Amino acid sequence: DAMVIQNPRYQVTQFGKPVTLSCSQTLNHNVMYWYQQKSSQAPKLLFHYYDKDFNNEADTPDNFQSRRPNTSFCFLDIRSPGLGDAAMYLCATSRDRGISNQPQHFGDGTRLSIL
Amino acid sequence: SQQGEEDPQALSIQEGENATMNCSYKTSINNLQWYRQNSGRGLVHLILIRSNEREKHSGRLRVTLDTSKKSSSLLITASRAADTASYFCATYTGGFKTIFGAGTRLFVKA
Repeated sequence: DAMVIQNPRYQVTQFGKPVTLSCSQTLNHNVMYWYQQKSSQAPKLLFHYYDKDFNNEADTPDNFQSRRPNTSFCFLDIRSPGLGDAAMYLCATSRDRGISNQPQHFGDGTRLSIL
Repeated sequence: SQQGEEDPQALSIQEGENATMNCSYKTSINNLQWYRQNSGRGLVHLILIRSNEREKHSGRLRVTLDTSKKSSSLLITASRAADTASYFCATYTGGFKTIFGAGTRLFVKA
């Protein structure tokens, strides 16, 4: 049973055209993360929500925004995608944060292409 | 800079052989985790080892941790073609952030 679901799996958008990626979870976890992963690289944390508390990484561009309307859903908005934003975007959840034995549960990602 | 760095970057072995991947990190950690990522898919958590543990087993996986050398290894015994994937170490240093290394790409030939 899928526990972290990302839609769509593949997304194509035009340079500068806003795009939204979605993530839902059935685990009732408090924390939801968004990562950017480029080819053959490590996942890079963009931001995370602890419940409704939004935490942005210092080096995440302003072009990236996120919304979490409820526990189950989280969205990644890219306001004006550039060619450098083409990547796999991974959503992950964990039960809590600040507790060291918390594995993260990942969705299968959305691969974003920019034309 | 990355906290965890895997070695080797790529590894190709025959089915049935053992695969060993290494991870080095820079600062003190609370725990270290290993994840697997199949091509085009998300990461799957494999095993977690705490900073006060030296070795841990899970099925065909064996993980060691040497905090004095700031390094960990993942051993996959009797590898199978289905083990072909990228393997990432991830370190947790407290707070809320897990930092992933660049990964080792493992190819298991049938």
